[in-house]
Amino acid sequence: QQQVKQSPQSLIVQKGGISIINCAYENTAFDYFPWYQQFPGKGPALLIAIRPDVSEKKEGRFTISFNKSAKQFSLHIMDSQPGDSATYFCAAKNAGSYQLTFGKGTKLSVIP
Amino acid sequence: DAGVIQSPRHEVTEMGQEVTLRCKPISGHNSLFWYRQTMMRGLELLIYFNNNVPIDDSGMPEDRFSAKMPNASFSTLKIQPSEPRDSAVYFCASSLTGGVGYGYTFGSGTRLTVV
Repeated sequence: QQQVKQSPQSLIVQKGGISIINCAYENTAFDYFPWYQQFPGKGPALLIAIRPDVSEKKEGRFTISFNKSAKQFSLHIMDSQPGDSATYFCAAKNAGSYQLTFGKGTKLSVIP
Repeated sequence: DAGVIQSPRHEVTEMGQEVTLRCKPISGHNSLFWYRQTMMRGLELLIYFNNNVPIDDSGMPEDRFSAKMPNASFSTLKIQPSEPRDSAVYFCASSLTGGVGYGYTFGSGTRLTVV
């Protein structure tokens, strides 16, 4: 299956809090898992990505946690800021292919 | 580099008319992707090209949709005839495949409204 299931659909977090977005997949042939951030009126932009041979990747306030056995991965945004308010998409790439399958997106609102 | 450039940014057309969306990928990128974004269905891959050759067009919804990439710096997505259900934001993305990463760079999209 090519689906990537993302939750929640929307998320409201207070400034300084931790935002957590989860994704699950079925296809064990996926070999690359990026997260994209999209602001209104703009295209999605690559935020951070991970391969299945590592369990965690951190870049600044953004961390991907990857659980290969559970076929789940999540994005954690530490010390969330109002400027992080955007829609976040998880995605996955099938080995041997260059195309990405995207989750449905999570609209994050960080309130002061 | 100016990034992926799409035109027009907005298009309003009447049902039955032909619509052509344009994309200029990042210079040196060898893969190009067309996506459609709607609230209901999210981001859907329509077609992707590698080295100007269409590799997978299984996402093209029907024969009314066609895409071309005549050279490495230009691609078009055409809808003929257009229908109201085609209203969506259409994104073009490019990437340099075969490297270490597979990150796409998206354009700012074309918002299409068919009335």
